[in-house]
Amino acid sequence: DTEVTQTPKHLVMGMTNKKSLKCEQHMGHRAMYWYKQKAKKPPELMFVYSYEKLSINESVPSRFSPECPNSSLLNLHLHALQPEDSALYLCASSQDGLPRDEQYFGPGTRLTVT
Amino acid sequence: DQQVKQNSPSLSVQEGRISILNCDYTNSMFDYFLWYKKYPAEGPTFLISISSIKDKNEDGRFTVFLNKSAKHLSLHIVPSQPGDSAVYFCAASPTGTASKLTFGTGTRLQVTL
Repeated sequence: DTEVTQTPKHLVMGMTNKKSLKCEQHMGHRAMYWYKQKAKKPPELMFVYSYEKLSINESVPSRFSPECPNSSLLNLHLHALQPEDSALYLCASSQDGLPRDEQYFGPGTRLTVT
Repeated sequence: DQQVKQNSPSLSVQEGRISILNCDYTNSMFDYFLWYKKYPAEGPTFLISISSIKDKNEDGRFTVFLNKSAKHLSLHIVPSQPGDSAVYFCAASPTGTASKLTFGTGTRLQVTL
């Protein structure tokens, strides 16, 4: 199974809402990632978890809060988002989080903030 | 500051011909390079990679060339097939202990019959 799943596929939320994005993999990978992709732009790294510990935070605003309950699951908690946060949020995983690891991506959650 | 650039937003190639996708980078700390392919409504899929100690890596129809002095890499697909139509991203990873990919802006390849 080389699949990374993400739920929901689409999410519309107001600026005062609290919601969560979920990501799951069953490949035994120990590193998981959140990326943000705006229209016609490349994916941009937000967070990296390695062995269930947050190892990289790319200066992401605190309205985005990641959580890694176990090595198979990754959540992104959203609160008080702005319309400019509307984007495709991609989750990925890799074997150990080393520079030469191949990253496997999920299909993404398309988020719209109204 | 775009550290990885793909200057051609789109490319159209006839089936059976060679597709050449280009990528330039500015950060000298990058030492590992990857190409990903993305279909609509799917996440990027890993295609091929190359380490900075090599100048060429081949996998079937796909070959990646790296010119370190020019900070340039290219992906050759030969022969091109209609199923290759997708957006191609090059990505770079710096020296270090963590996987931290910086993606290029992408090139949309269309392979026509």
